[in-house]
Amino acid sequence: NAGVTQTPKFQVLKTGQSMTLQCAQDMNHEYMSWYRQDPGMGLRLIHYSVGAGITDQGEVPNGYNVSRSTTEDFPLRLLSAAPSQTSVYFCASRVDRSYGYTFGSGTRLTVV
Amino acid sequence: RKEVEQDPGPFNVPEGATVAFNCTYSNSASQSFFWYRQDCRKEPKLLMSVYSSGNEDGRFTAQLNRASQYISLLIRDSKLSDSATYLCVVTPGGEAGTALIFGKGTTLSVSS
Repeated sequence: NAGVTQTPKFQVLKTGQSMTLQCAQDMNHEYMSWYRQDPGMGLRLIHYSVGAGITDQGEVPNGYNVSRSTTEDFPLRLLSAAPSQTSVYFCASRVDRSYGYTFGSGTRLTVV
Repeated sequence: RKEVEQDPGPFNVPEGATVAFNCTYSNSASQSFFWYRQDCRKEPKLLMSVYSSGNEDGRFTAQLNRASQYISLLIRDSKLSDSATYLCVVTPGGEAGTALIFGKGTTLSVSS
């Protein structure tokens, strides 16, 4: 099993550009989440999903959209990139709420 | 009061030392508890779940006190490879229990 795969690993965007961060897992996990990690702020939840077709907002959802058309994939879309979105983004999945999350290796995004 | 609070450290200890980290959480309805480890510029990795009865995994012991809303992690016989940031993680109860709430982490540095 590959686990949780995130692409790309690094990305530089110009302010106002849009892009999609990809996340795929092959463990048949129902629960998936997107976090961002900034220095001094810890990991903050952006959006999460409890299954295909179901998504909800986390702590910092503004400027991001998600969809969950399949169990495997949970892409994160930046609608109009801003410098404040410069961060490390982690996707994670777990089988249910009794278990911890398995994280992808992250995407380092810089918005200039 | 923040949802999950940890002493950021850093904790600087020599090899072989015993070190303990503490964490408090504010939501009394929290259901699941975990310790994660994060190495510099890497994704968080699950170290261990925390159970009310306490649990041990080799040199690591985790304790949960629901009455005091307190979680601890004890590391015995510290190794150089234990140097990392340790994240206390809580699953909220109810509808919010689908995602994890992370503390900002405690940094451990083990020296020879």
